[in-house]
Amino acid sequence: DGGITQSPKYLFRKEGQNVTLSCEQNLNHDAMYWYRQDPGQGLRLIYYSQIVNDFQKGDIAEGYSVSREKKESFPLTVTSAQKNPTAFYLCASSIDLGTTSTDTQYFGPGTRLTVL
Amino acid sequence: QQQVKQSPQSLIVQKGGISIINCAYENTAFDYFPWYQQFPGKGPALLIAIRPDVSEKKEGRFTISFNKSAKQFSLHIMDSQPGDSATYFCASSSGGSYIPTFGRGTSLIVHP
Repeated sequence: DGGITQSPKYLFRKEGQNVTLSCEQNLNHDAMYWYRQDPGQGLRLIYYSQIVNDFQKGDIAEGYSVSREKKESFPLTVTSAQKNPTAFYLCASSIDLGTTSTDTQYFGPGTRLTVL
Repeated sequence: QQQVKQSPQSLIVQKGGISIINCAYENTAFDYFPWYQQFPGKGPALLIAIRPDVSEKKEGRFTISFNKSAKQFSLHIMDSQPGDSATYFCASSSGGSYIPTFGRGTSLIVHP
């Protein structure tokens, strides 16, 4: 089965801790994204990567960091500098640059992060 | 600055009724307009999408209407069912950038 997996489904963090959210895809997609979802705020882009070893800040990158060492993986670290990290985090991927494709985003099931 | 404005924020419809959600965009370079459906606790999934070379696209009970001159597009759900209760997001993107702009979402409740 092709798709995107995120882990863990639920994550609890104490104040001052860094936590890392996992995102893996086997769709052979070149581009990967991280979004934050808060009630009434829609989907806000944190970081995106269009190729291995390269990534760009989105609209709300402060307090977050990412890496893209492999095409399949795009982990997100929520650092202690993020003052209000409680939210639903969604990873997505799109585009196989080697084939004709659309701009459709394929989302993972999400990770709900709660700060204790 | 929100480049895609979605309305209404919430919508309640009776079973069998028509649900209509509207989006307006500003960037004339946008050339791909998808709608995503999200159930509680799940990630969004593509429902239907349109490109500006057509004014309407229908897939089952779901139809996108697109008005290029008004820079507006809408989702129509015919014969709405309780199982359609979800949050719907419109999005827009321009060719080559692959960075979509999402609307803020519409929470749809279909009463049985």
